[in-house]
Amino acid sequence: EPEVTQTPSHQVTQMGQEVILRCVPISNHLYFYWYRQILGQKVEFLVSFYNNEISEKSEIFDDQFSVERPDGSNFTLKIRSTKLEDSAMYFCASGGQASYEQYFGPGTRLTVT
Amino acid sequence: AQSVTQLGSHVSVSEGALVLLRCNYSSSVPPYLFWYVQYPNQGLQLLLKYTTGATLVKGINGFEAEFKKSETSFHLTKPSAHMSDAAEYFCAVSKEYGNKLVFGAGTILRVKS
Repeated sequence: EPEVTQTPSHQVTQMGQEVILRCVPISNHLYFYWYRQILGQKVEFLVSFYNNEISEKSEIFDDQFSVERPDGSNFTLKIRSTKLEDSAMYFCASGGQASYEQYFGPGTRLTVT
Repeated sequence: AQSVTQLGSHVSVSEGALVLLRCNYSSSVPPYLFWYVQYPNQGLQLLLKYTTGATLVKGINGFEAEFKKSETSFHLTKPSAHMSDAAEYFCAVSKEYGNKLVFGAGTILRVKS
């Protein structure tokens, strides 16, 4: 069964460093999303991506964040200068055409020290 | 704006007992509703969804949920709890196809032997 994959599973970085979180969505899906879950809190929407552009972003998704689909298979989230409060589990999700559900990857745990 | 309220951050049931996890939503448009389950250190797995049609929807692992528009509810039930059902459960709402998911805070289900 197709699944969304994410790498790395755990990333530790120092404050101020850039990180890139990688996702491989399900191959025939058209909609791509990033969510995050700070420890003990609810899952929050960051950004959605469709037709090679951002379709919606939350207020969390400020200028420090960017997304890219560089090669038609990968979907990346970049944080330019990480802050302590960026420590969270980041989930990638994808959705297919004529499909309401979103399929989630296993997540990348980002720890900013 | 859409929102989801899950009553009870923790629910404890005995093995074999009825599971009832409560979810109420707020939406200005007809909602699409979802239940996801998250096992420890794993991603989010879709349990079931309501889009249109029959208001009682069945999902995986014996779970079902009923959409009640008059009560703005989408409670999750399972007739008989198994130890393997212990996990965190998230209710989510979306306003249209391809749109972001708005999650509730989650309910941790504990199953006692």
